[in-house]
Amino acid sequence: DAKTTQPPSMDCAEGRAANLPCNHSTISGNEYVYWYRQIHSQGPQYIIHGLKNNETNEMASLIITEDRKSSTLILPHATLRDTAVYYCIVESLAGSYQLTFGKGTKLSVIP
Amino acid sequence: NAGVTQTPKFQVLKTGQSMTLQCAQDMNHEYMSWYRQDPGMGLRLIHYSVGAGITDQGEVPNGYNVSRSTTEDFPLRLLSAAPSQTSVYFCASSSPRDRGNYGYTFGSGTRLTVV
Repeated sequence: DAKTTQPPSMDCAEGRAANLPCNHSTISGNEYVYWYRQIHSQGPQYIIHGLKNNETNEMASLIITEDRKSSTLILPHATLRDTAVYYCIVESLAGSYQLTFGKGTKLSVIP
Repeated sequence: NAGVTQTPKFQVLKTGQSMTLQCAQDMNHEYMSWYRQDPGMGLRLIHYSVGAGITDQGEVPNGYNVSRSTTEDFPLRLLSAAPSQTSVYFCASSSPRDRGNYGYTFGSGTRLTVV
């Protein structure tokens, strides 16, 4: 699976949009981009995933560049409960179920 | 649904002791795995299983043993605990269908300290 690069930390004001970037320049054509978050050392929680089209669900939006080499997770109205470590992971659905976690981005939502 | 259940939540072991971390899921997922997370780090894969009777090694398998006799359970055994195995352990599960829709479901973790 391709590796990803994320900034180690970001701050966001409560109520504002949080935009978390991820670089995955070596992504293959059949690899999806997944986002998970981990709150207070709990187990990671799935947020959203996509292949090449932009995706939106009740938690977030995912914007993938046309060349698929980078993506942005958008939390439209960040709350204090969104403070967490966010992981960007690429995975092929035909792959071997082996997730590779980096250190992620520590998002701090500030009152 | 309970999802993925891990027991115990906390454990302190002495060096050289053995123990089993339990993981159970009620989603009929074929795939189950164990990760460890050290302070300030991402999760690292220890062992995984794609179905009952099938297991394989991940990135950091040394010192750990697994078996998969049922679809629901995937226990992780520490054969002779060492301080380097002090970590938080997470179990995860998924299926070919769910991986494409909801990714992986993780348990809440077991915090293990080896003294």
